[in-house]
Amino acid sequence: EADIYQTPRYLVIGTGKKITLECSQTMGHDKMYWYQQDPGMELHLIHYSYGVNSTEKGDLSSESTVSRIRTEHFPLTLESARPSHTSQYLCASSDPRRVNTEAFFGQGTRLTVV
Amino acid sequence: AQSVTQLDSQVPVFEEAPVELRCNYSSSVSVYLFWYVQYPNQGLQLLLKYLSGSTLVESINGFEAEFNKSQTSFHLRKPSVHISDTAEYFCAVSGVDSSYKLIFGSGTRLLVRP
Repeated sequence: EADIYQTPRYLVIGTGKKITLECSQTMGHDKMYWYQQDPGMELHLIHYSYGVNSTEKGDLSSESTVSRIRTEHFPLTLESARPSHTSQYLCASSDPRRVNTEAFFGQGTRLTVV
Repeated sequence: AQSVTQLDSQVPVFEEAPVELRCNYSSSVSVYLFWYVQYPNQGLQLLLKYLSGSTLVESINGFEAEFNKSQTSFHLRKPSVHISDTAEYFCAVSGVDSSYKLIFGSGTRLLVRP
C-alpha cells in the first residue's frame, strides 16, 4: 500500500491568491514528481526531484514552483493563482535504486481558481 | 524521445463482454511498461507492469497485458468486464530515453454498461 498523501483534496480559491499544495510520503523515496491532469485526463509532468535540494522542470511549462528541503516533503506553490491554473494536481514518488520501479501516486488535489 | 499513444479516448462496452485497450510506445531502447487505473476523484493505482521475462503479465483483478516488441505495443485486455471496471486507464513507459521518468499516454475511459 502506497503511503503518499496530498492535502488539500479540494481547493477553491480566488484569483491572485498564493497557494501551496502539500505532498508527503513515508516510503523514503528520493524521486518525487508533480503531474498536472487536464479535464480531458491527459497527465503532464510539471516538476520532479531526485532528492533533497534537487528540483527540475518537467515537460510542461508551469508557473508553479517546488521545493525539496526534506526527503519526505515536496510542496508545490503558486504565487498568484489564475483561472488557467484550474486543474487536478497529482504527486508521485518512486525508489531511484530500482530504475524499473513504478511510481506511487497520491489521491490528488483538485484546484479551482475563480 | 519516448512517447506513448493510446488511440481510443473512450471505449464503451457491455458488462461481461471482453475488452481491449490499446497502447503503443515509441522508443529505440529497452523500456519498462505500466498500466495504471484511475477511479473518479482518485489518484492513479498501478494495475500491472512489464519489466522483463514473460511477455504476458497479469493483474489480480483479471486484466492482462502482452508486451509485443516487434509491434511496440502493450495492449490491455480483460475477457469479461464488470461495472466496477469503469475508470480511466493510462499506459506509461519508462526507460533511459526519458531518464527513467514515467511518460503517460492520454488515457482511455472504459465505460462498462449493464
